[in-house]
Amino acid sequence: DVKVTQSSRYLVKRTGEKVFLECVQDMDHENMFWYRQDPGLGLRLIYFSYDVKMKEKGDIPEGYSVSREKKERFSLILESASTNQTSMYLCASRRFPGATNYGYTFGSGTRLTVV
Amino acid sequence: GENVEQHPSTLSVQEGDSAVIKCTYSDSASNYFPWYKQELGKRPQLIIDIRSNVGEKKDQRIAVTLNKTAKHFSLHITETQPEDSAVYFCAASIGNTDKLIFGTGTRLQVFP
Repeated sequence: DVKVTQSSRYLVKRTGEKVFLECVQDMDHENMFWYRQDPGLGLRLIYFSYDVKMKEKGDIPEGYSVSREKKERFSLILESASTNQTSMYLCASRRFPGATNYGYTFGSGTRLTVV
Repeated sequence: GENVEQHPSTLSVQEGDSAVIKCTYSDSASNYFPWYKQELGKRPQLIIDIRSNVGEKKDQRIAVTLNKTAKHFSLHITETQPEDSAVYFCAASIGNTDKLIFGTGTRLQVFP
């Protein structure tokens, strides 16, 4: 069974802290994504990576950065956490285009609260 | 920029009735349209998808229709059951890229 694993289910951090959210997939997928999910706003793309050390900004990258040193791991970094970054963060992966299955596989999410 | 609008935001139906959720997209180059189901406290899971060269796709009680001219697509669930209760998200690819833009979600409640 394919898996996308996010390291923490719940996280509480203080304003100004540097926060790392980790995501690991075991499917050898090339593409990985970070979304945040907020009520009434759906899922919004923060960053996207299509290969090791490659990254691309999504719709709401401000206040975030990412790291992809290995194919299976994609990290989201909040450089200085703020209360408006309190949200559910979802990681996803998918195979490079050309494969028959285009669907994303999501992780279980990390609910981050910044106090 | 590109966007996807999804309606309704909430939908309540009686068990056995049909449910329809509609989405419109703005990017005429979008070519992939998946639907995700997210049960309470769980991850979104792909339930059905359609590509732009197909007008309709069906999988048991679930079907998706696509109208490229009007730039809208719909999810149809027939013979609804209480376990269909969840939040459903539509999405559209950003052009021919790997990125998806999601709708804001529809909370479906199926009452026994």
